[in-house]
Amino acid sequence: AQTVTQSQPEMSVQEAETVTLSCTYDTSENNYYLFWYKQPPSRQMILVIRQEAYKQQNATENRFSVNFQKAAKSFSLKISDSQLGDTAMYFCAFMIETDSWGKLQFGAGTQVVVTP
Amino acid sequence: DAGITQSPRYKITETGRQVTLMCHQTWSHSYMFWYRQDLGHGLRLIYYSAAADITDKGEVPDGYVVSRSKTENFPLTLESATRSQTSVYFCASSESTGGREGYTFGSGTRLTVV
Repeated sequence: AQTVTQSQPEMSVQEAETVTLSCTYDTSENNYYLFWYKQPPSRQMILVIRQEAYKQQNATENRFSVNFQKAAKSFSLKISDSQLGDTAMYFCAFMIETDSWGKLQFGAGTQVVVTP
Repeated sequence: DAGITQSPRYKITETGRQVTLMCHQTWSHSYMFWYRQDLGHGLRLIYYSAAADITDKGEVPDGYVVSRSKTENFPLTLESATRSQTSVYFCASSESTGGREGYTFGSGTRLTVV
């Protein structure tokens, strides 16, 4: 069974600063997908970024980027130039490539608070 | 562009009552999922479905029942609600095989069992 661990329950960052959220996972699979989802106070789940394990290049979406270390089974999210609207719960999630149902395994989440 | 709609948004029910949470999607996505969100646990999979009349249990299925007679609807029923089922419930769907592009989520139902 796959597990996803987010070791930081809460993080605080000032506007315009950078914050990095950690995520580690445990799997014996070689091919898989990793995701970061954002959940603002509205409760809506929003896909932030996605990474395919066979790609060595780290995914980037505007101010969001990941550091994917396959050997270390680590998938951290960096938020640059933090904005007040980045305040949200962030979930790391994992899906194995051979799962035809596409089930996602989520971590416990990290609450990010951006302060003025 | 309705997307994926969950209803109700909030629900309070009493212990022992049956309650059904609704999920409706307008994209004809094959795959649909129900998750519950609890502090410290993230989201945990309750049930999932690959098509009409094809469903299977996830990580925490006990006390829940699903059906999928039509592709667009995937209701979740709590047969006899317990306080431990107080949670936020999310329905999600995915277009591509196995959701490799990620899911689209509904806005969630906050259920309180008293």
